Amino acid sequence: GNSVTQMEGPVTLSEEAFLTINCTYTATGYPSLFWYVQYPGEGLQLLLKATKADDKGSNKGFEATYRKETTSFHLEKGSVQVSDSAVYFCALRRAGGSYIPTFGRGTSLIVHP
Amino acid sequence: EAGVAQSPRYKIIEKRQSVAFWCNPISGHATLYWYQQILGQGPKLLIQFQNNGVVDDSQLPKDRFSAERLKGVDSTLKIQPAKLEDSAVYLCASSSDYRYEQYFGPGTRLTVT
Repeated sequence: GNSVTQMEGPVTLSEEAFLTINCTYTATGYPSLFWYVQYPGEGLQLLLKATKADDKGSNKGFEATYRKETTSFHLEKGSVQVSDSAVYFCALRRAGGSYIPTFGRGTSLIVHP
Repeated sequence: EAGVAQSPRYKIIEKRQSVAFWCNPISGHATLYWYQQILGQGPKLLIQFQNNGVVDDSQLPKDRFSAERLKGVDSTLKIQPAKLEDSAVYLCASSSDYRYEQYFGPGTRLTVT
């Protein structure tokens, strides 16, 4: 079946540091891949997405590239801010059939001033 | 545009009691989802509605959980009787159509003692 594996958190960084949160997936066919962000006390928000191999999703300085050969979709940001502190979820939606996302466990990011 | 509304935001009950959660989706959104998010895990779909019909409830524990979406707008999720393992955040999400982006509410945090 489909599954998503994320690196365990919390990830703790100083402001302006480089961020990488690893995400790998298992799926049949060609899924669409997503990163969601959940700020404290709020619901999940779609951060970025990629629908086919080699696509790069980007938003608010975050980027992730759909790598079919390594089945990965790592999230990166060149310079994090305190306001980026949140929980980040990697997810996939299988091509065809059900469009329900399969989520990873989430990775907590804590950015210190 | 108003987002997805949920109430209550927090609820504490004793095991074997019953509880109900309410969700008001974004106006005009045909698809509504209920997810269960246990601490340290990604959201898991419980039930999906298309208008007022159930599309997928394969992961809903039907012996104790029930959900309805009267008139294809608001929805209620009920647990009766609650167990300790039901402690989680219950997320409601909606989308204009099942193929499109889901918008999440802030969730209801349930603690069963």
